[in-house]
Parts: sequence; structure tokens; C-alpha cells
Amino acid sequence: AQSVTQPDIHITVSEGASLELRCNYSYGATPYLFWYVQSPGQGLQLLLKYFSGDTLVQGIKGFEAEFKRSQSSFNLRKPSVHWSDAAEYFCAVGGGYQKVTFGTGTKLQVIP
Amino acid sequence: DADVTQTPRNRITKTGKRIMLECSQTKGHDRMYWYRQDPGLGLQLIYYSFDVKDINKGEISDGYSVSRQAQAKFSLSLESAIPNQTALYFCATSDPTGFTGELFFGEGSRLTVL
Repeated sequence: AQSVTQPDIHITVSEGASLELRCNYSYGATPYLFWYVQSPGQGLQLLLKYFSGDTLVQGIKGFEAEFKRSQSSFNLRKPSVHWSDAAEYFCAVGGGYQKVTFGTGTKLQVIP
Repeated sequence: DADVTQTPRNRITKTGKRIMLECSQTKGHDRMYWYRQDPGLGLQLIYYSFDVKDINKGEISDGYSVSRQAQAKFSLSLESAIPNQTALYFCATSDPTGFTGELFFGEGSRLTVL
């Protein structure tokens, strides 16, 4: 069965610092991978997605993620965090004819 | 206007009451989903529908039922609400063409069962 692990429940970073959110997945074939962001009181919005090709994918709001098959990872990165990035971030796997499975989320706090 | 609209956005009810959460979409997508979000648990799939005549149980369907009234409408019902159904509920859609799996979410319906 497919699964997603986000090992960090909370992360606190200073504004302007770099960010990396971890995601490990289990999937039987080449995965479709996603990162979603949920701002307080809002639904989830897609940040970026990976299906095939270049393993480094660019998303909205300056985020990027790198697919590493050997490590079953799809970590999200941003070089310089802004206060408006404070939110909860969800990694997900699936797609196509498969249901999408979400991780438990990582809450990002940004301090001045 | 939002592409995926959920009503009500907030609801407080009592144990044993019947509750319906409604979802409508203007994206023209065939696939619709209901998810439940609990703190620390992420999103869990309750039911999903790939077209009007197709209804499937998700991971946590017990205590819930759904109705797909039209391509654009997908309702979630709690026949007899219980306190552990207190959660944030999301409706989502996806477009089967391209098989990307990308989900488009509503803003959520917060349900409190007393």
C-alpha cells in the first residue's frame, strides 16, 4: 500500500533563512508526487508536482522539490523564507487511477 | 467565486443529529472526493466518486454516506453524528484527463459535534 511520511511535525525558521521539509514515500511504481500548502482557514493549494523527467521541480511562491528515487524522498525547499510562508505543508503520493495519499503534515512557523 | 464551494463553512450540532455537508464545483471535473482532516493525522479519504454513477468508499467511510446528485454536486451525510466526527471536512475535485491526480480543494467545512 502506498504511504507518505513527513517526519517533522513542526519546524521553526527565521525569516530569510533557508527551508527544507522532508517527505518519504512508499509506492509500488513510479510515483506521482505532490506538495500542497494550507494557510490558516483555507483549503489546500498545490505548490508543485512531479510525474516524470527532471527530478528537480519548480513550483509557485519560490518553492522547489527534488525527487530522489534511491532515497524514496521528495523534499521541499525554499532558499529564503518569508513570513507569509507560515502554513502547514502536506506531501502526497498517488494520482492517475490511484487514490492520493497524504502525509500528516508539517507546520511551519516563521519568526522575525 | 471559488471553483469548489462547500456549505456550511461552520456547523455546531449535537450527538445523534443528521448533518449534510454540501459541495458544488464549477471546474467541470468528473472526479470528486470528501476528505476529513484531524490535527496530526493529515487528510483521510472518506468517499470518492469518479462519475455520477460511481461511488467508492475511502479509508474511513464508517458513519458517513454520500450522494452524487450531478456532475457538479457531491454531498456528505452523517446520519447520526457523534463527537469523534468533530473535524474539518474538505471536498476536492480532480480532472481525469492527463491522469495527473492533482486535487482542487474547497475551503473546508468545520463540524463540531457536542
